[in-house]
Amino acid sequence: SQTIHQWPATLVQPVGSPLSLECTVEGTSNPNLYWYRQAAGRGLQLLFYSVGIGQISSEVPQNLSASRPQDRQFILSSKKLLLSDSGFYLCAWSVPRDAQRNRNQPQHFGDGTRLSIL
Amino acid sequence: EDQVTQSPEALRLQEGESSSLNCSYTVSGLRGLFWYRQDPGKGPEFLFTLYSAGEEKEKERLKATLTKKESFLHITAPKPEDSATYLCAVQAGRYGNKLVFGAGTILRVKS
Repeated sequence: SQTIHQWPATLVQPVGSPLSLECTVEGTSNPNLYWYRQAAGRGLQLLFYSVGIGQISSEVPQNLSASRPQDRQFILSSKKLLLSDSGFYLCAWSVPRDAQRNRNQPQHFGDGTRLSIL
Repeated sequence: EDQVTQSPEALRLQEGESSSLNCSYTVSGLRGLFWYRQDPGKGPEFLFTLYSAGEEKEKERLKATLTKKESFLHITAPKPEDSATYLCAVQAGRYGNKLVFGAGTILRVKS
């Protein structure tokens, strides 16, 4: 069965420090990978998604970047954190879209990283 | 612009008191509507996918239905362990994989 791992679970960082959050998926190959941010009382906001190694699409201009160095590894980074980067960051995976039936497949989420910027 | 609105924001039920959560959406060319359950401090857990109006899915005490403008998550005889935030999301965009999420409904079931 497929599993997704995110770490760390919680992180406290000072303003201006760098960031690296890692996500790995097991039990599947060539997954679509996603990074979301969830603010309190609001829906999940898609930050980045990737359909293959080295292929990154950015949804929201911001202080963050993403990379996919391996098929099942997705990394969220920042060179200098801002106070506004605080939040709950979630990684997700899905099998590629069913192009024949024109249907998207469900996304499956990790348990997230709670990031606090001081 | 694709939008998802969930109501109510919060719902308190007594154990065994059935009710429904609503998810209204506006999207051009629906390619999937997804329901998730999220427990505090955890990532969302996938529940159902619905693709076309009239489709229904069931799992234990939960039943999801879909019309052309909204989806309902019916909870029959809920138990305290059903307490969670329920999220609705729609697939948006002609070619992409973007999900647009609602803000969720916080459900509390008291024994």
